[in-house]
Amino acid sequence: DAGITQSPRHKVTETGTPVTLRCHQTENHRYMYWYRQDPGHGLRLIHYSYGVKDTDKGEVSDGYSVSRSKTEDFLLTLESATSSQTSVYFCAIRNQGSLETQYFGPGTRLLVL
Amino acid sequence: SQQGEEDPQALSIQEGENATMNCSYKTSINNLQWYRQNSGRGLVHLILIRSNEREKHSGRLRVTLDTSKKSSSLLITASRAADTASYFCATAPMDSSYKLIFGSGTRLLVRP
Repeated sequence: DAGITQSPRHKVTETGTPVTLRCHQTENHRYMYWYRQDPGHGLRLIHYSYGVKDTDKGEVSDGYSVSRSKTEDFLLTLESATSSQTSVYFCAIRNQGSLETQYFGPGTRLLVL
Repeated sequence: SQQGEEDPQALSIQEGENATMNCSYKTSINNLQWYRQNSGRGLVHLILIRSNEREKHSGRLRVTLDTSKKSSSLLITASRAADTASYFCATAPMDSSYKLIFGSGTRLLVRP
């Protein structure tokens, strides 16, 4: 698992409330990613980071913000959760070796009521 | 959408049979990767094939890549019940290979 943990693993919240998901890695990887997974859509990239304080938008970034103040932590924030943000969220890191593969965390299941 | 398409969406086979999944994509790529996801878990990398390669093997996995048709296939030989999972292809675009674009996946059921 490349030392990736996500917290919380499950969360139920109400529409309009802020939510922050945390991704933590222990192996000093430079690139970190947040995806969402919905039935019929596979994984879609929300935001990614290529270093401390360096982030960029992915395919479905509207309604989400991210922060990376330390190498090991990448936070995803839903400023005002909506029901359309009910999903499973995965964090990933990019292998810094010769293979450009990604390692995924266990996921966070978010339900917005 | 930049996403590729996978075919079939679902596949059910008997243990011991071969399973073939196909992936089509839209952009020029640096490499194409296949991932596996067991129910309720994160994705796990299986195999990577570069744009200048046509075929690659890893154990019971065989991947082919046809860049002229922008398509790839994953063959799992002599399938086992433990191969039951969803399989996703992911492409690394030529102009941004640090990002991956995932297909919608194929759900494979291997019946004992």
